[in-house]
Amino acid sequence: QSAATQPASVSGSPGQSITISCTGTSSDVGAYKYVSWYQQYPGKAPKLIIYEVSNRPSGVSDRFSGSKSGNTASLTISELQAEDEADYYCSSHTSTHTRVFGTGTKVTVL
Amino acid sequence: QVQLVQSGAEVRKPGASVKVSCKSVGYNPYYMHWVRQAPGQGLEWMGWISPHGGETKYAQNFQGRLTLARDTSITTDYMELSGLTSDDTAVYYCAKENLYYDLWGRGTLVTVSS
Repeated sequence: QSAATQPASVSGSPGQSITISCTGTSSDVGAYKYVSWYQQYPGKAPKLIIYEVSNRPSGVSDRFSGSKSGNTASLTISELQAEDEADYYCSSHTSTHTRVFGTGTKVTVL
Repeated sequence: QVQLVQSGAEVRKPGASVKVSCKSVGYNPYYMHWVRQAPGQGLEWMGWISPHGGETKYAQNFQGRLTLARDTSITTDYMELSGLTSDDTAVYYCAKENLYYDLWGRGTLVTVSS
């Protein structure tokens, strides 16, 4: 099972919006609503920020939103803030009952 | 409130095995997954174990080297990886799954070095 593809880096200025893509296949991202997104700071464990494509856990800022079209899921961060500078990973269920992560995206706030 | 408490850092020589534990505080049966992250690299899914430990699923990359186990009497999960090489140097995480990973352990650093 290959990792889903994410851009290695995305940057934006404070207040701008950015979008991170997560491209998988018809056997994972394209097949299920079980796509989730995680935020990770250096030296820390990942934290869930979006589940089931577009749902936010309690306590996660509404500046984070998710969507999916075909084999590609997307995470949008609006009103970018300095604290959003982190690594972001998507994850999906697969048709073989395994899981796959995206390659990861480093977000830089300019 | 469930917490996942992982065992401490380990150092192993090439060819050895390592066993990492993950204790659930505030236990309820759920699927436990293991994910690793090599230095400066992304997250890599390794496998899962079912709520009562009767079923496991491993990533193809780890078939034959990875064993996941659960001791329900002490609410502890174990990840054992054998045939270690320097490529296995990584932080290993346990993560509780509820169709998504809503709780993670803090990670256990495993260093493989001669």
